[in-house]
This record gives sequence, C-alpha cells and structure tokens, in this order.
Amino acid sequence: NAGVTQTPKFQVLKTGQSMTLQCAQDMNHNSMYWYRQDPGMGLRLIYYSASEGTTDKGEVPNGYNVSRLNKREFSLRLESAAPSQTSVYFCASTRDRGEAPQHFGDGTRLSIL
Amino acid sequence: GENVEQHPSTLSVQEGDSAVIKCTYSDSASNYFPWYKQELGKRPQLIIDIRSNVGEKKDQRIAVTLNKTAKHFSLHITETQPEDSAVYFCAASRNTGFQKLVFGTGTRLLVSP
Repeated sequence: NAGVTQTPKFQVLKTGQSMTLQCAQDMNHNSMYWYRQDPGMGLRLIYYSASEGTTDKGEVPNGYNVSRLNKREFSLRLESAAPSQTSVYFCASTRDRGEAPQHFGDGTRLSIL
Repeated sequence: GENVEQHPSTLSVQEGDSAVIKCTYSDSASNYFPWYKQELGKRPQLIIDIRSNVGEKKDQRIAVTLNKTAKHFSLHITETQPEDSAVYFCAASRNTGFQKLVFGTGTRLLVSP
C-alpha cells in the first residue's frame, strides 16, 4: 500500500498561473484534508472532505478550490497563484471525520514568484 | 475560535536528558489533544494523543499530561536520543470534528550526542 500519494513534489509557478495539486489514498478512507505549512507555523487547514461528495472550508480557504473526484482522490486547485501561497502543502486522510489526521502525504513544495 | 500557543520554540538537550514542551489552549470546549513529530523535510507523524477525560498518557519514552483547569497540556520525552531531534507540534480540537484541529507553532528539539 502506498498510503497517501501527492503529486507533484515540487513546483515553481509565476504569479497568476494556475495549477492543481493531486492527492490519492489507497486505504479506503472516507475523509481527506488539505493543509498548508508555512515557516514557523503549524499546519493550517485549507479544505476538507468528510466523505465522498462533500467538501467544506477550513481555516484558510481563500484563493483555493477543491474537488473530491471519488473516494480515493482529493485535488486542490490554485486558480490564480499569488506569492502568499508559497508554502508546503500536505494532504491527509482518515477513516472517518472522528479521527485525527495521521496519514499524510509527503507534501508538495510550491513556490510562487 | 481556538488558539493554541506552544513553548518553547526551540529546545536543546543532551542525549539522555528529559525534554518538556508545553501548550496552552483557549477554547474550554476542546477535549482532544494530539502531538505530532515532523522530521526535517518529512511528513508529520501522530505520536501520541490525549482526551480530556484522562490526565496523563504514556507510551514508552513519551508521555502527555493535561490540566483542564489551567487549559494546558505538555509533552514529556525521557531519555532523549538523537533520533528524537525534530519539530514537535501540539494541536487541539473539540471532539465533534477533527477537521477543526488547531495546531501550535511548533518546537524544534535538538538532541546532542
């Protein structure tokens, strides 16, 4: 089992460009999450999906959109990237919403120039 | 909303010493407190958690204590080893939804041989 797989691992964008971060899990988990991690700060929740077909905003959703494509996949889209979105992005999954996230992907390091 | 403060931001100890990291939270309704370890460039790992109906929990060399009255909780690592060197994050949430997990800003622990 691969667990939680994120792609790409690294990406450099120019301001205004768009891109989609991909996340897939093979553990048959119901809930999936997108976090960002900035230097000197803990993880902050961007969006989450408690179950297939549902998505909700987290602490810092502005500038992002998400799609829960199916039970396995949860993508994060930046429509018009801004330098403030330079960060490390982590996807996580849990069996259900009653669990704390403990299955994380390796992260995507995103730089926006 | 919940606010979690974590201290110290950095902690240096000699191998074999004990290390203590403290967190305070603001929301008296929070009742779940996990701790994560993140090695440099790696994904976060859930290492231990505690619920508000328990005052202390141990797992080998690590333990977490909770003082609900004072709204603070601490991570204790005994007999530290160089492989304990990492950034440790505390977090807090209400039991109703771990999607509302709020993280502290992290403590960088350095264990010197």
